[in-house]
Amino acid sequence: EAQVTQNPRYLITVTGKKLTVTCSQNMNHEYMSWYRQDPGLGLRQIYYSMNVEVTDKGDVPEGYKVSRKEKRNFPLILESPSPNQTSLYFCASSLGQTTGELFFGEGSRLTVL
Amino acid sequence: GENVEQHPSTLSVQEGDSAVIKCTYSDSASNYFPWYKQELGKRPQLIIDIRSNVGEKKDQRIAVTLNKTAKHFSLHITETQPEDSAVYFCAAAGAGSYQLTFGKGTKLSVIP
Repeated sequence: EAQVTQNPRYLITVTGKKLTVTCSQNMNHEYMSWYRQDPGLGLRQIYYSMNVEVTDKGDVPEGYKVSRKEKRNFPLILESPSPNQTSLYFCASSLGQTTGELFFGEGSRLTVL
Repeated sequence: GENVEQHPSTLSVQEGDSAVIKCTYSDSASNYFPWYKQELGKRPQLIIDIRSNVGEKKDQRIAVTLNKTAKHFSLHITETQPEDSAVYFCAAAGAGSYQLTFGKGTKLSVIP
């Protein structure tokens, strides 16, 4: 089954404790992206990757890091989480450039205390 | 960068009526305009998209129209049903762009 898998789905952590949200897709997609969803603000892009070892900032990259060492994986790293990073995070992938269907993961709800 | 404005933020309609959601974009180079539906607690899923060389596209009860001159596009849902209740997001992307910019969403409630 074609899917985008994120882990963990739910996480409560404390300020400053490094965490990684993993994202994996099994569709051989070149393009992967991370979004955060906050009430009233819609979906905002954090980082995206066009292919292995190629990443770029989205609209709200501050406080986040990413890596793309393998085509299927695109982890989101919060080196020192802060309460303003409490949000619902979605990983997504598509075949190529963004002019094609984005397949979203189920989301990861992160709370930073 | 691209800026996408979406209206209204909430919309309530009676079952069977039509619903229209409108979006405007700022970058005249944008050429791809998808619409995503997000049911409560679920992930966003593509429901329809349109490219800039087309003015209108239909898929059963949903349709999207694009006015490139005015830089706006709209989602039309006819004969609404309770299962249409969800948050709808419009988005825009430019040619060769790796960034898909979303609107802030419209919460549609269909009242039985």
